[in-house]
Amino acid sequence: DQQVKQNSPSLSVQEGRISILNCDYTNSMFDYFLWYKKYPAEGPTFLISISSIKDKNEDGRFTVFLNKSAKHLSLHIVPSQPGDSAVYFCAASPNAGNNRKLIWGLGTSLAVNP
Amino acid sequence: DTGVSQDPRHKITKRGQNVTFRCDPISEHNRLYWYRQTLGQGPEFLTYFQNEAQLEKSRLLSDRFSAERPKGSFSTLEIQRTEQGDSAMYLCASSETSGRVNEQFFGPGTRLTVL
Repeated sequence: DQQVKQNSPSLSVQEGRISILNCDYTNSMFDYFLWYKKYPAEGPTFLISISSIKDKNEDGRFTVFLNKSAKHLSLHIVPSQPGDSAVYFCAASPNAGNNRKLIWGLGTSLAVNP
Repeated sequence: DTGVSQDPRHKITKRGQNVTFRCDPISEHNRLYWYRQTLGQGPEFLTYFQNEAQLEKSRLLSDRFSAERPKGSFSTLEIQRTEQGDSAMYLCASSETSGRVNEQFFGPGTRLTVL
């Protein structure tokens, strides 16, 4: 049972435009959400995160929006650059003691075309 | 480089052999996690250490798997009697104990191929 869902396996965007990656979750116990970027043959790289007490967090070109009532979050990249081409994973952490293990989506492969 | 390091980066072994992977976390991080990622999937949690104590193990971690973190610094993950289904990328991550506890930083992974 996939608790974190990324329903778009791939996304193609023109350089300079906005990339919007979406993520849905089912577990109400999740209280922290993260986005990671992954290149082939490398480990995931942390991008940006958001606590469940907030609805927006911004860091440079990256903004994450959280809609708790809809159990939905999105990552906006503006402007998109060719170097942003990678697989993006949404991950969530349940509020369950000291173990902040991450539950992951399947990823969305973003291609930014020059 | 003060990031998470893993060794080896690649391991090819024959079915039935034992393999051991090493992870060196970021030095001030007390929490250490192991995940496994197969093609087309997101990483799946395997086990978690706080300092030297192994506090949780996933059902994915069968009896053939064992992980240690003897001095609360580096960690090892051993797979005994490897099977073809063990072929995957094994990822190690570390995080702080206070402050930004939720942000895990990953190593480059060890890609295991079992023939």
